[in-house]
Amino acid sequence: EIVLTQSPGTLSLSPGERATLSCRASQSVSSSYLAWYQQKPGQAPRLLIYGASSRATGIPDRFSGSGSGTDFTLTISRLEPEDFAVYYCQQYGSSPETFGQGTKVEIK
Amino acid sequence: QVQLVQSGAEVKKPGASVKVSCKASGYTFTSYGISWVRQAPGQGLEWMGWISAYNGNTNYAQKLQGRVTMTTDTSTSTAYMELRSLRSDDTAVYYCARRVDIVASDYWGQGTLVTVSS
Repeated sequence: EIVLTQSPGTLSLSPGERATLSCRASQSVSSSYLAWYQQKPGQAPRLLIYGASSRATGIPDRFSGSGSGTDFTLTISRLEPEDFAVYYCQQYGSSPETFGQGTKVEIK
Repeated sequence: QVQLVQSGAEVKKPGASVKVSCKASGYTFTSYGISWVRQAPGQGLEWMGWISAYNGNTNYAQKLQGRVTMTTDTSTSTAYMELRSLRSDDTAVYYCARRVDIVASDYWGQGTLVTVSS
């Protein structure tokens, strides 16, 4: 099973700042099948990025993903008030699919 | 527009079973899979497995093998997830999501709260 470790656990930033979230895999993620989701309280997760770097439909271009192999990054170039949420990475190239434990982006 | 609408909240006793439905609309149901993911209160996301709506092939998380069954009814574009021998640590919100091999889970249901309590 591929274990995904996200860091930091919590990121305290102000609107307008840049957010950099990390997701490290215990072994190489097949075909860069790495996704990022955003989840707000009481809501279902929302797909942001798939294939490590492709934005999902309707996702603003301030969200970008990068990385390959075992190291992946989600960058939010300028935080908007609606971006404060929990972010999860998921690998879906190997079974069982696994999620990271999440990074909370909170208002400083 | 793509929509996944799940059945309502359930309260079950330990040892019972629960069956959650997920009705899809706005796309060709048999062209995609359906993933199931759960989230215990205050915790992260846990992958449970997925089913191909095309041929019914399934892939379950090993920890749930023997207790979970995922099925689809293509005539109504509905997916089902049944979990048996419920325990208190099965208390969670259960989500279905449309699954595409290269895109992961792109549309999600609203979630179904299953509470297991004596």
